[in-house]
Amino acid sequence: KNEVEQSPQNLTAQEGEFITINCSYSVGISALHWLQQHPGGGIVSLFMLSSGKKKHGRLIATINIQEKHSSLHITASHPRDSAVYICAPTLNFGNEKLTFGTGTRLTIIP
Amino acid sequence: DVKVTQSSRYLVKRTGEKVFLECVQDMDHENMFWYRQDPGLGLRLIYFSYDVKMKEKGDIPEGYSVSREKKERFSLILESASTNQTSMYLCASSPFKQVLNSPLHFGNGTRLTVT
Repeated sequence: KNEVEQSPQNLTAQEGEFITINCSYSVGISALHWLQQHPGGGIVSLFMLSSGKKKHGRLIATINIQEKHSSLHITASHPRDSAVYICAPTLNFGNEKLTFGTGTRLTIIP
Repeated sequence: DVKVTQSSRYLVKRTGEKVFLECVQDMDHENMFWYRQDPGLGLRLIYFSYDVKMKEKGDIPEGYSVSREKKERFSLILESASTNQTSMYLCASSPFKQVLNSPLHFGNGTRLTVT
């Protein structure tokens, strides 16, 4: 069983649509990162959160510690949002381990 | 703005060659990391370092070694490259000694092909 599950694996949407990407993990965490990777490889850290909700521009990240679940939302999506989005929780197995999901490939069509 | 620079974007090497991947960060970060990224597997930690001359094995250290002689530079070494080391390699750094909950800054990646 994977420790971190992201869904969907691939998502194609029209420009302007509201986007939701989900991340579930198997054990308690101390924090969770959302990362963005554009074609060509570079990764940018979008959010680090341990509770509640954070907002940056059109991006919103939420986390529910009890349900072991986090979501990344994009409002008014734009073709430049096309990228791979990666969830990375710090899992508590007694000691802490930063673990990465396999990513969600998002394509926004004009 | 934090900059993490990897020396090569694309690299092609032959089986058995010794390969050096270099990473430099300009923000005086204590922590530096090397990951590889393969389709369907996500990022996997090879080695990390939280100080000069310090190194710790990650999840997949076999076939790799690292060097951190200066705080800003973290090198990944493939002692004898093999075809199963063909991958995207990403370097990252973070600013605090509390390793895991510090924000991460990544380089642009090196796509290594071993033939």
